[in-house]
Amino acid sequence: ILNVEQSPQSLHVQEGDSTNFTCSFPSSNFYALHWYRWETAKSPEALFVMTLNGDEKKKGRISATLNTKEGYSYLYIKGSQPEDSATYLCAFIFAGGYQKVTFGTGTKLQVIP
Amino acid sequence: NAGVTQTPKFRVLKTGQSMTLLCAQDMNHEYMYWYRQDPGMGLRLIHYSVGEGTTAKGEVPDGYNVSRLKKQNFLLGLESAAPSQTSVYFCASSYPGTAYEQYFGPGTRLTVT
Repeated sequence: ILNVEQSPQSLHVQEGDSTNFTCSFPSSNFYALHWYRWETAKSPEALFVMTLNGDEKKKGRISATLNTKEGYSYLYIKGSQPEDSATYLCAFIFAGGYQKVTFGTGTKLQVIP
Repeated sequence: NAGVTQTPKFRVLKTGQSMTLLCAQDMNHEYMYWYRQDPGMGLRLIHYSVGEGTTAKGEVPDGYNVSRLKKQNFLLGLESAAPSQTSVYFCASSYPGTAYEQYFGPGTRLTVT
């Protein structure tokens, strides 16, 4: 079983604050790392798919970085808004086990107006 | 284009009853997955399929069976339901072109009493 860890487990921030979360994964046999946004009562939706060491992706106020050599990825939210409240999941794809996706347990973000 | 659909959306079973959850996708994806979501546990892979006629065990396969008789459908069966199988079940599909980004269905909430 591959170990994919996310921290913190939950986070409360004020509207307008910037925040970031961490996803740690095995540093060997890397294929891809995904970030998903999961709103309550909905399904997870992909934010970023990252495959190369040093990748940086951005979508509006949300961005992510990837370090495959040390096995971590950061997700940043700039100027948090109440609509950013959701659980953010990362998922690791192991090279050689492409079909299997291992999810972290997520970071639950609540943005307080 | 419906994406990934799941049937039913909700179900209540008594211990020992059986049922089948249906997942269908219209994106011509090769890979399909069944996950369960439990509080504090994130998404855990039950079974997956890399193509029509093939299935494989994931992280938590016990008590479940699956079949992939057609490329677009992936069935999850519970032969003798137990209270421990109370959960929300998500189906997903993927293809190699987006590094196995998961496209999720809306989920099925199952309660076993």
